[in-house]
Amino acid sequence: DAKTTQPNSMESNEEEPVHLPCNHSTISGTDYIHWYRQLPSQGPEYVIHGLTSNVNNRMASLAIAEDRKSSTLILHRATLRDAAVYYCILRDPGGSGNTGKLIFGQGTTLQVKP
Amino acid sequence: NAGVTQTPKFRVLKTGQSMTLLCAQDMNHEYMYWYRQDPGMGLRLIHYSVGEGTTAKGEVPDGYNVSRLKKQNFLLGLESAAPSQTSVYFCASSEVRGHGVSNEQFFGPGTRLTVL
Repeated sequence: DAKTTQPNSMESNEEEPVHLPCNHSTISGTDYIHWYRQLPSQGPEYVIHGLTSNVNNRMASLAIAEDRKSSTLILHRATLRDAAVYYCILRDPGGSGNTGKLIFGQGTTLQVKP
Repeated sequence: NAGVTQTPKFRVLKTGQSMTLLCAQDMNHEYMYWYRQDPGMGLRLIHYSVGEGTTAKGEVPDGYNVSRLKKQNFLLGLESAAPSQTSVYFCASSEVRGHGVSNEQFFGPGTRLTVL
């Protein structure tokens, strides 16, 4: 499984945009980029995923570099509720029999200051 | 829809005791997973199942067994608990969308297990 690298922690002010980076220089052509987040004392929740093009949903935007070796999760206006650990995960749905497995790293702990 | 539920929420065991954690999902998902999360760490996959009656080992399967007798349930068993199995256990499920199509996993709230 290809590996991702994220900063251990980041800080943001409430109501400001947040850009969470992820490096994945060994990504393969069929790897999707997934983002999950884990709020304190809860299970992870899906945020967004993409393959090549930038993606938007109600929670966030995902900007993928043209060479796909890095990506950025964008929270447009951070709220206190967005304080969580954010995980960037690569997943090849066609590999290993398409088992859907996710390999979690340590993620980025986002603090949001009022 | 309740989504993914886990029973129990908390449990304290003594070394050598056994227990079963139950995961249930009402989304008719084919795939189910058991993860453990130790303090300050990301989740690690213990076992998973790609359909009723099938199971497979993940990253850290030793000391655990699983069963998937019904599509909606995935059981995780500890036959002889050890202090190293103190952790938070998360169950997840996902649907199959075809070869080459990625999709999200839905997670339960977790079971906090302490082994003394």
